Amino acid sequence: GENVEQHPSTLSVQEGDSAVIKCTYSDSASNYFPWYKQELGKRPQLIIDIRSNVGEKKDQRIAVTLNKTAKHFSLHITETQPEDSAVYFCAASKVTSYDKVIFGPGTSLSVIP
Amino acid sequence: DAMVIQNPRYQVTQFGKPVTLSCSQTLNHNVMYWYQQKSSQAPKLLFHYYDKDFNNEADTPDNFQSRRPNTSFCFLDIRSPGLGDAAMYLCATSRVGRGSPLHFGNGTRLTVT
Repeated sequence: GENVEQHPSTLSVQEGDSAVIKCTYSDSASNYFPWYKQELGKRPQLIIDIRSNVGEKKDQRIAVTLNKTAKHFSLHITETQPEDSAVYFCAASKVTSYDKVIFGPGTSLSVIP
Repeated sequence: DAMVIQNPRYQVTQFGKPVTLSCSQTLNHNVMYWYQQKSSQAPKLLFHYYDKDFNNEADTPDNFQSRRPNTSFCFLDIRSPGLGDAAMYLCATSRVGRGSPLHFGNGTRLTVT
């Protein structure tokens, strides 16, 4: 089955700096890679996702890159703000067939004002 | 607004006293999931329904059961809660085949006394 690893487990950055979180997956058939942000005491919420037919996707300060050959994908947050502080989870699954979503262990991001 | 609703938000039960958590959705998604999340950890999948088909994770304790009487509702039954079952329980939905991300409810925080 699929296994998703995520690094680092904790990350502290100064406000305005960039943050990068990296994930690897094991199942080459996985083709959908969402990222979820979970603030303390709240539910995980989708912030960006990417499919395997795309190498990069951007949404304002957030971008995700995918390397299918190496089976890894990364989240990039630029110009970080204190409200970006949260736990971020990457995940992997398949789009066109039923498959459960496998989460990475999470990265706790702290943005220091 | 279409959404995933969990009740109650907070549930306190006594050691060994059965408890039921509920989830409803107005998204008309065909897959419903129950996740258990403990502090600082990724959501752990307990089981899921693809339409009426029930899928149990191999490591989900027998103490946990689930029911999905119709498309909109799903229940999590904990037959004899132990102290180790105290956690946040998250219900989520998705639509297979469209790359739909998980839509989470706000969760039920279970306390076992």
